Amino acid sequence: DIQMTQSPSSLSAYVGDRVTITCRASQSISSYLDWYQQKPGKAPKLLIYGASSLQSGVPSRFSGSGSGTDFTLTISSLQPEDFATYYCQQSYSSPPFTFGPGTKVDIK
Amino acid sequence: QVQLVESGGGVVQPGRSLRLSCAASGFTFSSYDMHWVRQAPGKGLEWVAVIWYDGSNKYYADSVKGRFTTSRDNSKSTLYLQMNSLRAEDTAVYYCARVFIVATGTSVYHYGMDVWGQGTTVTVSS
Repeated sequence: DIQMTQSPSSLSAYVGDRVTITCRASQSISSYLDWYQQKPGKAPKLLIYGASSLQSGVPSRFSGSGSGTDFTLTISSLQPEDFATYYCQQSYSSPPFTFGPGTKVDIK
Repeated sequence: QVQLVESGGGVVQPGRSLRLSCAASGFTFSSYDMHWVRQAPGKGLEWVAVIWYDGSNKYYADSVKGRFTTSRDNSKSTLYLQMNSLRAEDTAVYYCARVFIVATGTSVYHYGMDVWGQGTTVTVSS
């Protein structure tokens, strides 16, 4: 099975900061990597699919990059509504479609 | 609008069974693979199961294999998760979610999950 790791597990940042979260797969998953945002008590929301494609309706300050085993989610200018937990997930080939452990972004 | 609504959660004793339902509306349910994802209190997301659009294939996480069964009734636009031999570690919010499909030209790609239900809480406790 493919294992997913994320770093950091948490970070504190100011509004307006540039934030980068990394995700690594235990084997190549091509570009089948998705990013989700989850706020407390809410269902996850798809932000980025296929490693770098922005889901409809998601602000352009969110971007994704990478392929193979190493991926990055970047928030170019952190906004108050962006404080949340972010998860990566691999959707490559056959199940299990593993999630990363999450990165919690909170206010500094 | 496109919507998924889970139901059937509750408090159940260890070893007992529970069936969750997920009612879909606003899209052609029979065209989409569907997932179950759970989240234990204070923990991250855990993928649980997927069922193909026509019910022909089903896959499960090792943690639930042999105990949980997913099914669907496309005539009712409803997804199910039958959970047997429940354990304390199955306590979680359970979400159903629709696979995200991208069609470009003659190619169709399946990515993650673009529509999620609100979740239903399952608590396994004596």
